[in-house]
Parts: sequence; C-alpha cells; structure tokens
Amino acid sequence: NAGVTQTPKFQVLKTGQSMTLQCAQDMNHNSMYWYRQDPGMGLRLIYYSASEGTTDKGEVPNGYNVSRLNKREFSLRLESAAPSQTSVYFCVTGEAEWNIQYFGAGTRLSVL
Amino acid sequence: LAKTTQPISMDSYEGQEVNITCSHNNIATNDYITWYQQFPSQGPRFIIQGYKTKVTNEVASLFIPADRKSSTLSLPRVSLSDTAVYYCLVGDMSNQAGTALIFGKGTTLSVSS
Repeated sequence: NAGVTQTPKFQVLKTGQSMTLQCAQDMNHNSMYWYRQDPGMGLRLIYYSASEGTTDKGEVPNGYNVSRLNKREFSLRLESAAPSQTSVYFCVTGEAEWNIQYFGAGTRLSVL
Repeated sequence: LAKTTQPISMDSYEGQEVNITCSHNNIATNDYITWYQQFPSQGPRFIIQGYKTKVTNEVASLFIPADRKSSTLSLPRVSLSDTAVYYCLVGDMSNQAGTALIFGKGTTLSVSS
C-alpha cells in the first residue's frame, strides 16, 4: 500500500520549459490536492479536485493546470516554467468524512 | 477556517514533555482542532484531532479547555526524532470532502540531546 505516489522526486527545468508532475493514490479517496511549499510562506493550495471530473482553483493557481485523469490520478502541469515556480510540490489526498489529508513525499522543482 | 496563532519555535531536550499551545479565539461550534507534523524533507502527517476535552493516541495528547479558544498539543518524553514543524488547524472537518486545509507557518520544535 503505497498511499500517495509522486513522480518525479526531483526536477530541474530551464525557464520556459514545460513539465507535468504526476500523482497517483491507492487510498480510494475522492479528494485530491496540489500544494506548494516555499520557505517562509508555508503551504499554499494550487488546485484541488473534490471528485473525479471536477477541479477548482486554490490560492495560487496562476501558471499551472491540472487534470483529474481518474479517481486515482491527479496531475499538475507547468506550461512555461518560471523561476518563481521553484518550490516543493505536494500531492495530497483526503478522506471524505473527517478531511484528514495524506501527503505524498513531494517533488523538489528548481527552475533556472 | 478559523485563524490560529502558535509560537514560531520551541526548544527542548530529550526526555522532556513538550506542550505547544495554539490560540483560536474565533473557533466556531462545528470546528474541530487538528494537528499535523512535518519532518524535514517530508510532507505533513496527521497526528491528532479533537473537538473538546482530551484526546490521546500513540503519538500525542490534545487538551482542549471548555471554551475551546485554545488547545495544547502535548508530546511526552520527546526524542531527537520529534524535531519537526507542528501545525495547528481549526475548521469544520466533518464531511468536508474537497475542502483545502490552510496551513500557517507552524511551530518549529528543535529537540537537543
């Protein structure tokens, strides 16, 4: 039982490049989220998906797109990476009843 | 979600009991209090949740006074491996699928030998 699996774990991009962060969960949860974490800024929500087929913007959605491919998978895409998107990205899944959220190990992204 | 205030940092020594207090003066009737723990280079991990009085599990205890305007996370006999950031969150957690959690800056606990 892997829980929440994110790939890749590390990535270095040049400004303007694109990439997709992949996330899969085996916890059978409906809700999935993408957060970013920056020093001094805490955790901020980028996008979330309350259920398969729905997505909503969070606090900092600009520069990102998401796809809820099915119940298990929720991907985050950077179309044209910028240095301001250098961060640690966490994919999260949440229980329905008590909203306890389970975090993946994170993707450390550097944009040069 | 209700606004919370907790200390930015705390220091302790191995074997001591650590109490981290979180203030949440505007807590609503349906709000629960939840604590997460984040180790360096890892994502946050749920550790405990409560509504009133006291909750205890294998990791920690959570004390909530009758007015619920504050709560205290208690870690018994800490070890070096308890060095982490601890986040206090307050909100209506019941049946809230799709509700994003708002993490503040948390309390950085440093345990020394």
